[in-house]
Amino acid sequence: AQKVTQAQTEISVVEKEDVTLDCVYETRDTTYYLFWYKQPPSGELVFLIRRNSFDEQNEISGRYSWNFQKSTSSFNFTITASQVVDSAVYFCALSEANNAGNNRKLIWGLGTSLAVNP
Amino acid sequence: EAQVTQNPRYLITVTGKKLTVTCSQNMNHEYMSWYRQDPGLGLRQIYYSMNVEVTDKGDVPEGYKVSRKEKRNFPLILESPSPNQTSLYFCASSLSGTPNTEAFFGQGTRLTVV
Repeated sequence: AQKVTQAQTEISVVEKEDVTLDCVYETRDTTYYLFWYKQPPSGELVFLIRRNSFDEQNEISGRYSWNFQKSTSSFNFTITASQVVDSAVYFCALSEANNAGNNRKLIWGLGTSLAVNP
Repeated sequence: EAQVTQNPRYLITVTGKKLTVTCSQNMNHEYMSWYRQDPGLGLRQIYYSMNVEVTDKGDVPEGYKVSRKEKRNFPLILESPSPNQTSLYFCASSLSGTPNTEAFFGQGTRLTVV
């Protein structure tokens, strides 16, 4: 069964520290997509990145970087030089299709709550 | 501005009083869905819609109804709300139902049923 595990429930760091949020997934599909979303204290869900199962290249976007490793079924997210504005809950999600291939339901991890303290 | 708009943002209601949470998107997306978010359970899909007049159950559909009469709107209806439906609800839309499409989320509706 498809599953996403974010083992870190809460992380607290001091501003300017680097922090890595772990995401491990399970799927039997050969083609799948992984996502990271951010949920700031205001509550909305903000898309951060999408990665398909055939592209294991790491990605960097400013202070954010993602490490996708198919061999360990992991898709970890690193924030470099963290800032107070990075404080949020971060969700990793896996996209599957149902048997008819037409429901792009997201399977969500439970989230990691990141607190960046000044 | 491309967006998904939910209303209301906050709602307190009493058990049994029918309510509707509206969702509208301005991106001409075919696919829309509703999720609920609960502590310790994460986000779970309630219903989804592949296109106008095409809807189907997600993982937790009991106690909810939806309709898709127009492409842009996908309201969530609670005919007889109960306290266990107290939750944070999100509407999402994406270009299609294929797994690679990015989902855009509304700002959420925090519902309390007393």
